[in-house]
Amino acid sequence: DAGVIQSPRHEVTEMGQEVTLRCKPISGHDYLFWYRQTMMRGLELLIYFNNNVPIDDSGMPEDRFSAKMPNASFSTLKIQPSEPRDSAVYFCASSSSVGNTIYFGEGSWLTVV
Amino acid sequence: SQQGEEDPQALSIQEGENATMNCSYKTSINNLQWYRQNSGRGLVHLILIRSNEREKHSGRLRVTLDTSKKSSSLLITASRAADTASYFCATASRYGSNYKLTFGKGTLLTVNP
Repeated sequence: DAGVIQSPRHEVTEMGQEVTLRCKPISGHDYLFWYRQTMMRGLELLIYFNNNVPIDDSGMPEDRFSAKMPNASFSTLKIQPSEPRDSAVYFCASSSSVGNTIYFGEGSWLTVV
Repeated sequence: SQQGEEDPQALSIQEGENATMNCSYKTSINNLQWYRQNSGRGLVHLILIRSNEREKHSGRLRVTLDTSKKSSSLLITASRAADTASYFCATASRYGSNYKLTFGKGTLLTVNP
């Protein structure tokens, strides 16, 4: 049974470049979450979707960040233009119901130089 | 701001000893969850305790919840070197029709063989 699948696992990019992170949630899960993890700020919720619709994007840092979920099996998180302070691990997670267990992917490790 | 705050930030014990980690939070919750993260990996769900429960067990894990004190503890009995990881508490709260799962900054547990 496949878990949450994220790509790429590692990305190093130059400041100003566009970064696209991808996620495939667990089949049948209606909720999809994007989290960011840094040493300084810990694990922060950026945005979550329910049935492909963004529900709460209050955690998205600024307009440089955008997320989409065109269908139930795919989501992207885009950063344009990227900055060194965006360096972090970005996790996608999914869940079958609100308030219960969420299942994390292995993360996308982003370094912006 | 973080909802859950773990204590201690780091804990080092010998194999076979028990490990206790605490979590405090600020607002009312629907449930509280504990997750584990091995170095370089995603978070894995361990246990969920609902706001109307006081104690829950799962294998070598024991979780308590005191809603009057807004605190929870995770006890790992008979620890093993393989338990070395970061442990996070996460509080699930509803606000209107939305929902938020907010993570603390974690406790780094090191179990020495």
